[in-house]
Amino acid sequence: DVKVTQSSRYLVKRTGEKVFLECVQDMDHENMFWYRQDPGLGLRLIYFSYDVKMKEKGDIPEGYSVSREKKERFSLILESASTNQTSMYLCASRDPYNEQFFGPGTRLTVL
Amino acid sequence: TQLLEQSPQFLSIQEGENLTVYCNSSSVFSSLQWYRQEPGEGPVLLVTVVTGGEVKKLKRLTFQFGDARKDSSLHITAAQPGDTGLYLCAGARGSARQLTFGSGTQLTVLP
Repeated sequence: DVKVTQSSRYLVKRTGEKVFLECVQDMDHENMFWYRQDPGLGLRLIYFSYDVKMKEKGDIPEGYSVSREKKERFSLILESASTNQTSMYLCASRDPYNEQFFGPGTRLTVL
Repeated sequence: TQLLEQSPQFLSIQEGENLTVYCNSSSVFSSLQWYRQEPGEGPVLLVTVVTGGEVKKLKRLTFQFGDARKDSSLHITAAQPGDTGLYLCAGARGSARQLTFGSGTQLTVLP
């Protein structure tokens, strides 16, 4: 079974803090994605990566950056957290048949 | 602007009833997927449809892709409490690596 793990299920941070969200997949997938999920808005793509050290902006990249130093790990970074970044963050990896496998999510609260 | 519009946004029904969820767009998709998400978990793929007019069945769930590949529907027969969850449609456009997600339909099936 494909497994996508995220470093934290719940996280509380203060405005202005730097936040790291880690995601690891164990199926050697090339493509990995970071989404945020807010009620009524579905999943919105923040960034994705199609190879090590390669990244592309999604629909809402402002305020976020990413890092992909190893194939299995894709990190999302909030350089200076703000309250409007309070959300559920979902990581996914994609197989060659376009199925996305999601992690359990990190619920981030920024105070 | 949401590229994929799902309706209804919320649906609460009694066990044994039938229901249909719709996913509509003005854009053409090369394939369309349906995911189900349970509380505290990431979405899990239910089905992928790729051909206009295609119908796929998964036990009591029937998925249809519109002839023009702009819309899709999910029909559940004799709903059960275990069907409760957030249903998301997601479309792929051309050779793009990323998916566009709908806003979701929150289904509650009451015993």
